[in-house]
Amino acid sequence: AQSVTQLDSQVPVFEEAPVELRCNYSSSVSVYLFWYVQYPNQGLQLLLKYLSGSTLVKGINGFEAEFNKSQTSFHLRKPSVHISDTAEYFCAVGGTYKYIFGTGTRLKVLA
Amino acid sequence: SAVISQKPSRDICQRGTSLTIQCQVDSQVTMMFWYRQQPGQSLTLIATANQGSEATYESGFVIDKFPISRPNLTFSTLTVSNMSPEDSSIYLCSVDGTSGRGNEQYFGPGTRLTVT
Repeated sequence: AQSVTQLDSQVPVFEEAPVELRCNYSSSVSVYLFWYVQYPNQGLQLLLKYLSGSTLVKGINGFEAEFNKSQTSFHLRKPSVHISDTAEYFCAVGGTYKYIFGTGTRLKVLA
Repeated sequence: SAVISQKPSRDICQRGTSLTIQCQVDSQVTMMFWYRQQPGQSLTLIATANQGSEATYESGFVIDKFPISRPNLTFSTLTVSNMSPEDSSIYLCSVDGTSGRGNEQYFGPGTRLTVT
């Protein structure tokens, strides 16, 4: 069975500071990993995905994530956040069309 | 990518009634998915809908409560039947990016349902 754990329910950070949102997964098979962002009153938008190959994945809006197989992690990072990055972020593990989502991390960027 | 629209965007319904949510995609897709996002929680898959076959429901979800239609490759509906306040959630439809494994899903904007 697959599962996803997002360790932080909320992360406050000041504008222009770096941020890391943590995600750990468990799976007995090869995984595909995703980060989605949900802005208030909107649907989910894909930030980035890891399917195979390079473990460092770059996404939209300056975000990147690193797949670490030994630590079963896929943490999301951004070197300098902006007010507009305030949103809910979901980590997901997928395979064979079925996706399991984490409980989400609310990123709040402070001025 | 795919552009997905949902109707209605939000609704307030009385307990015991039913609501049908529509999902329209701008391209033909094989698989469509319906998720529920309860307040303050993550997304839970309700069912997978393929055109021309019965929907496949996840554990804890049944067809009598959440009947799904998939009449063609660009459209699907989800009905929330005999609603109770516990059904208050955001309901999202999504589609698979391509026919291959492991590709991202594209999500609609969601339908925010409040049951009183």
